[in-house]
Amino acid sequence: GENVEQHPSTLSVQEGDSAVIKCTYSDSASNYFPWYKQELGKGPQLIIDIRSNVGEKKDQRIAVTLNKTAKHFSLHITETQPEDSAVYFCAASEGGNNDMRFGAGTRLTVKP
Amino acid sequence: DAGVIQSPRHEVTEMGQEVTLRCKPISGHDYLFWYRQTMMRGLELLIYFNNNVPIDDSGMPEDRFSAKMPNASFSTLKIQPSEPRDSAVYFCASSTGQNTGELFFGEGSRLTVL
Repeated sequence: GENVEQHPSTLSVQEGDSAVIKCTYSDSASNYFPWYKQELGKGPQLIIDIRSNVGEKKDQRIAVTLNKTAKHFSLHITETQPEDSAVYFCAASEGGNNDMRFGAGTRLTVKP
Repeated sequence: DAGVIQSPRHEVTEMGQEVTLRCKPISGHDYLFWYRQTMMRGLELLIYFNNNVPIDDSGMPEDRFSAKMPNASFSTLKIQPSEPRDSAVYFCASSTGQNTGELFFGEGSRLTVL
């Protein structure tokens, strides 16, 4: 089955700096890669996703890149703000939510 | 829409007691998922339903766990008897279709079994 590894487990940046979180996956059949943000006491919320026919996707300050050959994808957050502080999860699936596998999470802290 | 609604938000119980967690998915969503989140194992899929029918319960850890979805707007996850290792945050999520991708999570039920 799919195995998703996520690094780093914790990340601390200064407000305004960029943050990068990386994930690798094992199943070459995976074609859908979402990123979820989980704030304290809340459930995870989708912030951006990418499908395997695209190499990069941007939405304002966040972007995701995908390297299918190397089987890794990354989340990039620019101009970080304190409200970006949360736990971020990557995930991979072959397209169905039933086979979605989540990474272990990265706790991002943005220091004002 | 109010989103996915879970209850209770927090539950503290003693080992051996029955625990029932409840979920109301977003209206119109055909799929409902139950996840468990722990520090050690992260987010694990326990079971999912399509149109109220359980499709895959291979993630349910033991026979002590059971889930039902009697109608499109309500699901329960039951643990009987509960054990300390069941302590976790249990999330319910719903989606419009298996291949659309986005999961809408509730705020979770934090279970502590003493």
